[in-house]
This record gives sequence, structure tokens and C-alpha cells, in this order.
Amino acid sequence: AQSVTQLDSHVSVSEGTPVLLRCNYSSSYSPSLFWYVQHPNKGLQLLLKYTSAATLVKGINGFEAEFKKSETSFHLTKPSAHMSDAAEYFCVVSVKGGYNKLIFGAGTRLAVHP
Amino acid sequence: DTGVSQDPRHKITKRGQNVTFRCDPISEHNRLYWYRQTLGQGPEFLTYFQNEAQLEKSRLLSDRFSAERPKGSFSTLEIQRTEQGDSAMYLCASSLTTGGDEKLFFGSGTQLSVL
Repeated sequence: AQSVTQLDSHVSVSEGTPVLLRCNYSSSYSPSLFWYVQHPNKGLQLLLKYTSAATLVKGINGFEAEFKKSETSFHLTKPSAHMSDAAEYFCVVSVKGGYNKLIFGAGTRLAVHP
Repeated sequence: DTGVSQDPRHKITKRGQNVTFRCDPISEHNRLYWYRQTLGQGPEFLTYFQNEAQLEKSRLLSDRFSAERPKGSFSTLEIQRTEQGDSAMYLCASSLTTGGDEKLFFGSGTQLSVL
């Protein structure tokens, strides 16, 4: 079975400092992995997606994630946090089967301080 | 705005009442998904439609839950005899499958509170 574990429920950073949101996955086959962001009162938005092409995936708003098979990790990073990055972030794995049945992690709430 | 639309945004009901939510997907999208998100958790898959056909239902979808997508356009999710444990955000997503990458577009959700 596929699953993801987000290692931090809350992360707090200062504006302009790097962001690291950690995610480990479990999958019996080569997974499709995603990061989604959820701002209050807005729909979930796809940040980036890994599907066995390049292991370093670049997404929107300056975010990127690196797929590391040896560590079963898919951590999300951003070099410099902006106040508008404050939101809930979800690491997600897709169940293999021809459609987008997504398994979400519990989420990491990112706070950005001035 | 031509994104996924959900109605209502908020619903407060008493235990035992029936509720129905509506989702309008992006026009021409052939797949539609329902997810449920409880407080402090990530969304959980409930069910999905390919056009008007409901192709998979999660174990989370008890007999009190029913979803429809008549004519392959909008979808409704009905919960009968609501229980306090049904309190959650119900999310709808749609996608267009063209043989390549499938990208889901999520609505803002319907927040259900059962008193």
C-alpha cells in the first residue's frame, strides 16, 4: 500500500530564510508524488509533481522538491520564504491504477514571520 | 471564474437530517472526484466518476452516502441521517484525461457542521 508521512505538523520561518518541509513515502512500486498547497478558503493547488523523470522537480512560486529513492523522501524546499507562502502543505502519493486516487499526508502548516 | 465550483460553502445541520452538496466541475472535464477532509488531516478519497459512471467508492462511503453525476456534468453528494462524525470539509475535484498527464483541479469545498 502507498502512504506518505509528513515529519513536521508545523514549521515556522522568518521571511527571506529557506523553507524545508519534509516528507517520506512508502510505495511498492515507483510512485507518482506531489506537493499541494492549501490557502484558507481556497482550493488545493498543485505545486509540483514527480513522475519518474528528473529527480529534482521545479514547481510554481519558487518551490522545488527532490525525489530520493534511497531515502524514500520527497522534501519540499524554497530558498527564500515570502509572507504569502504561509499555508498548509500536503505531500501526496498517487495510487497506481489509471486514475488520480490521491493519498494525502496529514499536512504541514507553514508560518512565515516578518 | 471557470474553476470547480461547490455549493454551499458552509452547511450547518442537526444530527439525523439529510444534506446534499453540489459540485460543478470545469466544463468538458470527464473525471470528477469527491474527497473528505477532517480537521488536522489531509483529504481522503471518497469516490470518483468517469463521465456519469461511478467507478470506485471508498470504504469511508457508508450506506448513508450517495453520489451521483447525471449526464456526466455536475455531481451531488448526499448524506442521509447525518452524524456528528460526518462533520468535515467535502472537496470536489475534476480533471480532463487526454491520454497524458492528468491534473486535478480542486474546488474550495463545502464545510459541513453536524450539531
